[in-house]
Amino acid sequence: AQSVTQLGSHVSVSEGALVLLRCNYSSSVPPYLFWYVQYPNQGLQLLLKYTSAATLVKGINGFEAEFKKSETSFHLTKPSAHMSDAAEYFCAVSDQGSGNTGKLIFGQGTTLQVKP
Amino acid sequence: ETGVTQSPTHLIKTRGQQVTLRCSSQSGHNTVSWYQQALGQGPQFIFQYYREEENGRGNFPPRFSGLQFPNYSSELNVNALELDDSALYLCASSLENLEAFFGQGTRLTVV
Repeated sequence: AQSVTQLGSHVSVSEGALVLLRCNYSSSVPPYLFWYVQYPNQGLQLLLKYTSAATLVKGINGFEAEFKKSETSFHLTKPSAHMSDAAEYFCAVSDQGSGNTGKLIFGQGTTLQVKP
Repeated sequence: ETGVTQSPTHLIKTRGQQVTLRCSSQSGHNTVSWYQQALGQGPQFIFQYYREEENGRGNFPPRFSGLQFPNYSSELNVNALELDDSALYLCASSLENLEAFFGQGTRLTVV
């Protein structure tokens, strides 16, 4: 069975600092992995996805994530935080490695706070 | 804006009542998935509809049911509402296995 664990329910950084949001996965098959962002009272927006191509995945808004099979990790990074990055971030794995983007197993989420 | 619209945006129901939530999928999309997001939690997969047929279900009781219509819009029905059903309900549409786009959600409060 697939599962996702996000380490740290709350991360606080200063504007301009590095953003690092941690995600570890468990999967019995090669995983498809995703990062989504959710702003208050909004739905989810896809930031980036890993689908077994390049291990370093670049997404929107300057975010990127690296798939590390040996560490079963898919951490999200951004070199320089902006105030507008403050939101809830979710890591997700597709069910049964099917690549079915509609059947996702989400982590608990990490709230990113950006301080001026 | 993703093109996925959900209605209503908010509603309040009493325990034991029934509720229907609606989702209009993005043009050209034939797959709709529903998720429940409790406060402070990640979304949990309820079920998916593909070309009007249920295509997978999460760990939710039978009182959660759904429909997909020929135009690929969808409904989520919940019977015998419980307090724990209070959550944000998210709909996502996609074309086959391509990227799923989420709507803004329906905030359901059960009192």
